[in-house]
Amino acid sequence: GAVVSQHPSRVICKSGTSVKIECRSLDFQATTMFWYRQFPKKSLMLMATSNEGSKATYEQGVEKDKFLINHASLTLSTLTVTSAHPEDSSFYICSARATSSTDTQYFGPGTRLTVL
Amino acid sequence: GEDVEQSLFLSVREGDSSVINCTYTDSSSTYLYWYKQEPGAGLQLLTYIFSNMDMKQDQRLTVLLNKKDKHLSLRIADTQTGDSAIYFCAEGFSGGYNKLIFGAGTRLAVHP
Repeated sequence: GAVVSQHPSRVICKSGTSVKIECRSLDFQATTMFWYRQFPKKSLMLMATSNEGSKATYEQGVEKDKFLINHASLTLSTLTVTSAHPEDSSFYICSARATSSTDTQYFGPGTRLTVL
Repeated sequence: GEDVEQSLFLSVREGDSSVINCTYTDSSSTYLYWYKQEPGAGLQLLTYIFSNMDMKQDQRLTVLLNKKDKHLSLRIADTQTGDSAIYFCAEGFSGGYNKLIFGAGTRLAVHP
């Protein structure tokens, strides 16, 4: 149980294009999903908290117009990196908190974004 | 402020016990977590402990929490090569916020 998937697992794009990453909870409903960014050999940095049916809450220093988050259903959240640049290259990981649970977050496998 | 610290590297011999340590600063956390990350993969929840507990054991894993010293440890008994990974501790906060604060991760290397 508590499986979270991400798609795509790896994407390479040209500078200036937009990339959409999907995060799905496969066997549970997730009221809240989280988007993290992980730099090489570094910890996870929380980018934003996404609640189903409402606007995402962004952490300080994260540009909401750059990283668009949509949480349209209880099993799907998307992160769109708009006008991507090489400095946006990173490992993006989502997590989901089950509606019925307390605080435990279940993580997706991550998406490796490379911007050329 | 919120800060979680871990040593960056640990090397153990196969069959020995591994102890990964973590310290944190914010005592208002509700849960403390241990996650495992293998190369190129996401995070796998290993275990967690409620902040009012001292110890939790789950098969080869033992979590110790010293709330007074704000110190958390993960002991892996009979460490195997498959345990080689990065281990993250994280503080969890409830009350609608649900934010996780991660340490930098400890890379565990298991050698024969």
